[in-house]
Amino acid sequence: QKEVEQNSGPLSVPEGAIASLNCTYSDRGSQSFFWYRQYSGKSPELIMSIYSNGDKEDGRFTAQLNKASQYVSLLIRDSQPSDSATYLCAVNGVTGGGNKLTFGTGTQLKVEL
Amino acid sequence: EAQVTQNPRYLITVTGKKLTVTCSQNMNHEYMSWYRQDPGLGLRQIYYSMNVEVTDKGDVPEGYKVSRKEKRNFPLILESPSPNQTSLYFCASSLISRGTGELFFGEGSRLTVL
Repeated sequence: QKEVEQNSGPLSVPEGAIASLNCTYSDRGSQSFFWYRQYSGKSPELIMSIYSNGDKEDGRFTAQLNKASQYVSLLIRDSQPSDSATYLCAVNGVTGGGNKLTFGTGTQLKVEL
Repeated sequence: EAQVTQNPRYLITVTGKKLTVTCSQNMNHEYMSWYRQDPGLGLRQIYYSMNVEVTDKGDVPEGYKVSRKEKRNFPLILESPSPNQTSLYFCASSLISRGTGELFFGEGSRLTVL
């Protein structure tokens, strides 16, 4: 079982719709969770971090965390073509004293006009 | 401008020829890390450093060395590169107080080993 799992996609949504990206993790003791966006040919960029159960909103982005289900998600409201990118879920696990950040392989999002 | 700078950005080399990829950050970050990114495998951590003179192995350290003699610099050394080290490499840094997950990434270094 991979430590951090994401559906590779591509996930296609029409412009203006809500995009829902999902991630599951195996380390039950994980405490910190992150979403990075990576445009093709570019480096990853942090867009959201979440540390406690529930929802965290930042503009059009909402991160949702459910530690009991070991599940974290990212919602993008009013999706724009500029949101087309690969979204990487990352988790800080217990191993390595909490300093080990493990990435999923990413979900490719395509926002269509 | 806050940034993580990697050099070279592109490199083609031959098996066995030692090379160093430099990484420098200007944000006074304590934590620095190297990742490699391969299709289907995602980002995998090679080495990380919590501060000067403190380094530790990540998930895929074999064939790599690092050093952290100054806070701003964290070079990645390939003593004897092999074709399976052909990859896209990213250096990243963060403030310990913000946790080691809020990373700033460099632009990446694409390495090809023939």
